[in-house]
Amino acid sequence: NAGVMQNPRHLVRRRGQEARLRCSPMKGHSHVYWYRQLPEEGLKFMVYLQKENIIDESGMPKERFSAEFPKEGPSILRIQQVVRGDSAAYFCASSATGNTEAFFGQGTRLTVV
Amino acid sequence: GIQVEQSPPDLILQEGANSTLRCNFSDSVNNLQWFHQNPWGQLINLFYIPSGTKQNGRLSATTVATERYSLLYISSSQTTDSGVYFCAFNDMRFGAGTRLTVKP
Repeated sequence: NAGVMQNPRHLVRRRGQEARLRCSPMKGHSHVYWYRQLPEEGLKFMVYLQKENIIDESGMPKERFSAEFPKEGPSILRIQQVVRGDSAAYFCASSATGNTEAFFGQGTRLTVV
Repeated sequence: GIQVEQSPPDLILQEGANSTLRCNFSDSVNNLQWFHQNPWGQLINLFYIPSGTKQNGRLSATTVATERYSLLYISSSQTTDSGVYFCAFNDMRFGAGTRLTVKP
């Protein structure tokens, strides 16, 4: 049973480009959570999704950021027109339900140049 | 929303020492988990512990939901225990973490 898979592991984008981060949950998991982590800081909650539904996006910036978790395929975190301040590690976690143990992926390190 | 306080924020130990990390909550929580983020950034599950006590080797955890806190005990610490320890609750909301440094 593979764990949570995130890809790419490292992503370099020029300012103004789009970044797409993918998260494939563990088999049987239908809940996904996304976080952003700046160096030496904690995990900042961004969005909580269930398949085809956004449960809570209160941590997501209102502009340029969006997330989806379609019926088929991975969850996608999309950042449009990236800026230097978007450079961070982005982690996703998945769980079977909203009240069960969650597991993390390895993260995607986004660098905006 | 529910506030969480993790203490201490930073902890430096000599190898072999014991420690207790704590999460205090402003209201009742469920779905309590403890994670360790190692120096390479990987987030590792330690305990899923909505209530009660669990032990795994040198680590154990206790959650007293009615008293709104959870504790993580590390005994006979090793340098590989270094990193940041987070508690997570409800819909995977996180505390600020405790940064642990274990010196040889």
